[in-house]
Amino acid sequence: DADVTQTPRNRITKTGKRIMLECSQTKGHDRMYWYRQDPGLGLRLIYYSFDVKDINKGEISDGYSVSRQAQAKFSLSLESAIPNQTALYFCATSDSGIFYGYTFGSGTRLTVV
Amino acid sequence: KQEVTQIPAALSVPEGENLVLNCSFTDSAIYNLQWFRQDPGKGLTSLLLIQSSQREQTSGRLNASLDKSSGRSTLYIAASQPGDSATYLCAVIAGGSARQLTFGSGTQLTVLP
Repeated sequence: DADVTQTPRNRITKTGKRIMLECSQTKGHDRMYWYRQDPGLGLRLIYYSFDVKDINKGEISDGYSVSRQAQAKFSLSLESAIPNQTALYFCATSDSGIFYGYTFGSGTRLTVV
Repeated sequence: KQEVTQIPAALSVPEGENLVLNCSFTDSAIYNLQWFRQDPGKGLTSLLLIQSSQREQTSGRLNASLDKSSGRSTLYIAASQPGDSATYLCAVIAGGSARQLTFGSGTQLTVLP
């Protein structure tokens, strides 16, 4: 099993619909992140969480919300999807120790029509 | 604000060549630097993590170096193979409690058989 699992892998949704992307990890890491990747813009941070009770906005949080249900689970919601939220979404984890590296999931390709 | 630049944006080489990918960053106060590989439409696979106190890391045919004072890192790939074709992303991990990740825009590598 993958260390960081994202579901669904692909999703097509209509404008205005609410959609949730889910992420679970088996790394035992405290820190979890959501990024989006757009062609030509690279990866940008949406939200991050350092533990279950800690949620922080990233550089592009407008239109998104998150929930940290447990240490291992971090979900991203689009309350009312719009076409410019079409992108590849990645969940990532990191530990908080000196060996501070990131592990990414395989991504969710979201298309809003 | 940290900026990460990767040169070249694209590179095409014949199989068997040794090659170097370059990464530069504007703020030398980094915690770690991580190199990733991304296949088209896929997730990010971590290749090498260099802690800020280290000068280089090696894994198989890959060698990454870090010169924090000059804001530079290189990824050296020896004896390239068609299976190395992918986009290579450099990411710096900032110091401070947030330890946020800033990505470069990547180098798209094609190794021709």
